[in-house]
Amino acid sequence: DAGVIQSPRHEVTEMGQEVTLRCKPISGHDYLFWYRQTMMRGLELLIYFNNNVPIDDSGMPEDRFSAKMPNASFSTLKIQPSEPRDSAVYFCASSRGPRTQYFGPGTRLTVL
Amino acid sequence: AQSVTQPDIHITVSEGASLELRCNYSYGATPYLFWYVQSPGQGLQLLLKYFSGDTLVQGIKGFEAEFKRSQSSFNLRKPSVHWSDAAEYFCAVGARDGNKLVFGAGTILRVKS
Repeated sequence: DAGVIQSPRHEVTEMGQEVTLRCKPISGHDYLFWYRQTMMRGLELLIYFNNNVPIDDSGMPEDRFSAKMPNASFSTLKIQPSEPRDSAVYFCASSRGPRTQYFGPGTRLTVL
Repeated sequence: AQSVTQPDIHITVSEGASLELRCNYSYGATPYLFWYVQSPGQGLQLLLKYFSGDTLVQGIKGFEAEFKRSQSSFNLRKPSVHWSDAAEYFCAVGARDGNKLVFGAGTILRVKS
């Protein structure tokens, strides 16, 4: 079975631009999680969905960040406008039930 | 709130030597416990998990972990390390009545030949 798929794998953009990260969870999984990983703060949970509904977005750093899950097979994390401090690796993870999460390969975002 | 401590930021072991990575958690009840591994440029891969039952858990790649309730610990072990085990290892804790995981800061394992 295919694992969690994320695109793009790398994104370089300039400050002020809109960035959209994409995630396809494992088929049949009903939970989807977005994380951010930086050297300074480690792995942080940004938001998670259950059955396409956002459950907890308390980790979303600012209003510049938004996430959607229009269907069970697709989610996006959008940053508008982007800033250099948003540079990080963003991971998507999915699970069947809320316990064992399976991670995608990540998107490395660089904001110049 | 739950918290996870991985006391060792870096560990270096010789190839063929045994390995133990430490993980301590803070939680009022027995949580769900996980170990993940992250190779450079890759996502996190699940090594093993503990939900209940036998406190010694076997995982992939020859790893095992032991849950010790009295010490609030879930240390990861491997009897003989291979050069390919060099990576960063994360311990994670989940509440039984919640949906989120809390991750430790990670331990970077270096393997010397």
